[in-house]
Amino acid sequence: DQQVKQNSPSLSVQEGRISILNCDYTNSMFDYFLWYKKYPAEGPTFLISISSIKDKNEDGRFTVFLNKSAKHLSLHIVPSQPGDSAVYFCAAHSGNTPLVFGKGTRLSVIA
Amino acid sequence: SQTIHQWPATLVQPVGSPLSLECTVEGTSNPNLYWYRQAAGRGLQLLFYSVGIGQISSEVPQNLSASRPQDRQFILSSKKLLLSDSGFYLCAWTPPGISSEAFFGQGTRLTVV
Repeated sequence: DQQVKQNSPSLSVQEGRISILNCDYTNSMFDYFLWYKKYPAEGPTFLISISSIKDKNEDGRFTVFLNKSAKHLSLHIVPSQPGDSAVYFCAAHSGNTPLVFGKGTRLSVIA
Repeated sequence: SQTIHQWPATLVQPVGSPLSLECTVEGTSNPNLYWYRQAAGRGLQLLFYSVGIGQISSEVPQNLSASRPQDRQFILSSKKLLLSDSGFYLCAWTPPGISSEAFFGQGTRLTVV
């Protein structure tokens, strides 16, 4: 049973436009949600996170929104840049439990 | 500051050979440690995690094992590799007891031939 789902395996966006990556989860015990960016042959790098007590967290061009009632979160990148092209993973956990990852969404930003 | 080291970066091993991947963390005490695998075209699958020395939890029954002989050392092993063990292996750590981001090593690309 997949507890964290990223239903879009890929997304293409024009440079300068908004990229919206979506993630759904099923475990209501999750209280911390994260987005990671990954390039080929490298470890994932942490991008942004949000606690379950918030519904929005912003860091520069990156904003994460959390809808607890829908068990849904999204990552917005505005404006999108070619260097944002990578695989983005959504992850969730609580306390001492391991991070559970989605399968990732490959973002391509086209110049 | 904390750092995580994982080696080797790439490895080509024949079927049936043993495996040992090592991961060490510096600058923190009693971290939670994890081994993940990313198979081709798939997400990050949790293989093992450890909350303390000698404490290993296995998430997926398989040909691999893990050990934590020291507080900041985590080892992934196999006695006999299978073709299906090929993939990108990642070590990670989190601070103990709190919800936090995980910090990943650079990964090991394992190809079993």
